[in-house]
Amino acid sequence: GEEVAQTPKHLVRGEGQKAKLYCAPIKGHSYVFWYQQVLKNEFKFLISFQNENVFDETGMPKERFSAKCLPNSPCSLEIQATKLEDSAVYFCASSQSLGLAGINEQFFGPGTRLTVL
Amino acid sequence: QQQVKQSPQSLIVQKGGISIINCAYENTAFDYFPWYQQFPGKGPALLIAIRPDVSEKKEGRFTISFNKSAKQFSLHIMDSQPGDSATYFCAAPNSGYSTLTFGKGTMLLVSP
Repeated sequence: GEEVAQTPKHLVRGEGQKAKLYCAPIKGHSYVFWYQQVLKNEFKFLISFQNENVFDETGMPKERFSAKCLPNSPCSLEIQATKLEDSAVYFCASSQSLGLAGINEQFFGPGTRLTVL
Repeated sequence: QQQVKQSPQSLIVQKGGISIINCAYENTAFDYFPWYQQFPGKGPALLIAIRPDVSEKKEGRFTISFNKSAKQFSLHIMDSQPGDSATYFCAAPNSGYSTLTFGKGTMLLVSP
């Protein structure tokens, strides 16, 4: 599609429960990025993919967070055993290409608001 | 990771005035500096971006000014309108362009 799609729009979980978020990048875009935006508007990078391969995972809290981008499926971000501090809006973005010769614009989805109670 | 420092945190401008938001970065190696606009409840959207081979880029009422020696770039919104009220983020890529580091955002309110 022409827009990044994210589902669900809202997700409520009790502390300790699992949360799974989905992202469908723009068709033809090879790169997918996940960001966490907390209440004070700050964006925290989590992970990026080049097609189905992890590109950069330096921002991922590896103990509880995992992500995948499999062929012909939406990308997913999963949080095992959610904590209160995981409450945030999670944005997915996609990009056609990267680097000096590429188009660097990241197109963002509408986000998934996760509330952990 | 590249740090991007953005100021001011919030800004109130009268309709028709000029809004100016500033960003400073640390790493001189990279050359793509976008500004994103975010409305409440929405994802950020690219507004305008600059490469440091030029000192200024203008698109409509929006202008980026770039000062490579000072490692600073700024967004100017001319003839600010109430519809410009949003949060603005500057950003810069890290090594390999595998992520963008965002500034902390500037909440702009344009009063009628």
